[in-house]
Amino acid sequence: ILNVEQSPQSLHVQEGDSTNFTCSFPSSNFYALHWYRWETAKSPEALFVMTLNGDEKKKGRISATLNTKEGYSYLYIKGSQPEDSATYLCAFTSSGSNTGKLIFGQGTTLQVKP
Amino acid sequence: GAGVSQSPSNKVTEKGKDVELRCDPISGHTALYWYRQRLGQGLEFLIYFQGNSAPDKSGLPSDRFSAERTGESVSTLTIQRTQQEDSAVYLCASSPPAGQGLYGYTFGSGTRLTVV
Repeated sequence: ILNVEQSPQSLHVQEGDSTNFTCSFPSSNFYALHWYRWETAKSPEALFVMTLNGDEKKKGRISATLNTKEGYSYLYIKGSQPEDSATYLCAFTSSGSNTGKLIFGQGTTLQVKP
Repeated sequence: GAGVSQSPSNKVTEKGKDVELRCDPISGHTALYWYRQRLGQGLEFLIYFQGNSAPDKSGLPSDRFSAERTGESVSTLTIQRTQQEDSAVYLCASSPPAGQGLYGYTFGSGTRLTVV
């Protein structure tokens, strides 16, 4: 059974704080790791796809790192803003015949207070 | 279309009734997925269609759930004899034909199903 775990489950921060959360996934048969942002009443939106150990991706104030050998990824938000409030999902795909199927974690829900 | 379209956006149904949810993927996306999120839980995989291959139905929770897809176009998810535990947001997603694991998904905005 492939398990993707995210922590913390929820997070409340003040505007301007920097924050980070964790995604852990199986380290064997790794193919890709995805991060999505899901705002209330909207569709999940893709943030990053990472494939290589040591990969680091950045989009504005948001960045992510990947360690495939130990099976974890961190998502960082620098200087959080209220508009960053959302649920952040990570998803794992394994190598083999089913590389298209994403297994999602339960998400980290971030609330940024002005 | 420009994005993944789902209908209806909201559905309230009585326990025991059948419901049908529709997903219209992005044109040219051969892969189509259904997921659901029940309250307080993560995104749960239901079913995956890839072109003309047999669908991966491993996530369907019971035989009350079924899904169809005609070619590479519209998909319908049918829930028969709905139960209260079927209440969830049902999300559809599609992805391009090659390397879906790399490109990720484009999601629809979901159908919120409430069984009363």
